[in-house]
Amino acid sequence: QMQLRESGPGLVKPSGTLSLTCVVSDASIASSNFWSWVRQPPGKGLEWVGEIYRSGSTNYNPSLKNRVTISVDKSKNQFSLKLSSVTATDTAVYYCARPYCSNSICYFDYWGQGTLVTVSS
Amino acid sequence: DIQMTQSPSSLSASVGDRVTITCRASQSISSYLTWYQQKPGKAPKLLIYAASSLQSGVPSRFSGSGSGTDFTLTISSLQPEDSATYYCQQSYITPWTFGQGTKVEIK
Repeated sequence: QMQLRESGPGLVKPSGTLSLTCVVSDASIASSNFWSWVRQPPGKGLEWVGEIYRSGSTNYNPSLKNRVTISVDKSKNQFSLKLSSVTATDTAVYYCARPYCSNSICYFDYWGQGTLVTVSS
Repeated sequence: DIQMTQSPSSLSASVGDRVTITCRASQSISSYLTWYQQKPGKAPKLLIYAASSLQSGVPSRFSGSGSGTDFTLTISSLQPEDSATYYCQQSYITPWTFGQGTKVEIK
């Protein structure tokens, strides 16, 4: 059973950069075609942040404009999220997730436990 | 972006009741619709994919239907452990988007 675990600072200052890592266990990160980040502000719904493909190409939510970067480190079996110029509205639980696609229909079948990141001075 | 609208936002039902949650997409998404269950403090859990396919290990009281713009998640006989928030999500086109959630409570 694949496991995903997020890690990173729980507190980031406004205008700073949020940095999170997702370590994949019990499976090779190369075994999946792509990996994603999803976030959830406290008491609110889910928002897809973006994804990185096995090729290294990325696809981001336009709502985050040019602030987001997702990268992968195959040697460490992990992928990462950076979100720059953060404000209080970026306060959320951040989940890493594995999208699985079958017959071109994709869904998130594995999720990390989530990590709360608070943006505050 | 494709907007996903769920109704109702919350409901309260008794154990054994049949519960139906609706999800409507702002444009046709064929069967690119997934349902998740989320309990407080936990990550979402995959229930239904491709609108009507039950994920392995999910109780058969959960079922999904629909295509195009209108979808339904049904719990045939509500159990205490089904108290949670349910989300629909489209994967027809990025940005992948979620409904706002439906909170199911047990009377």
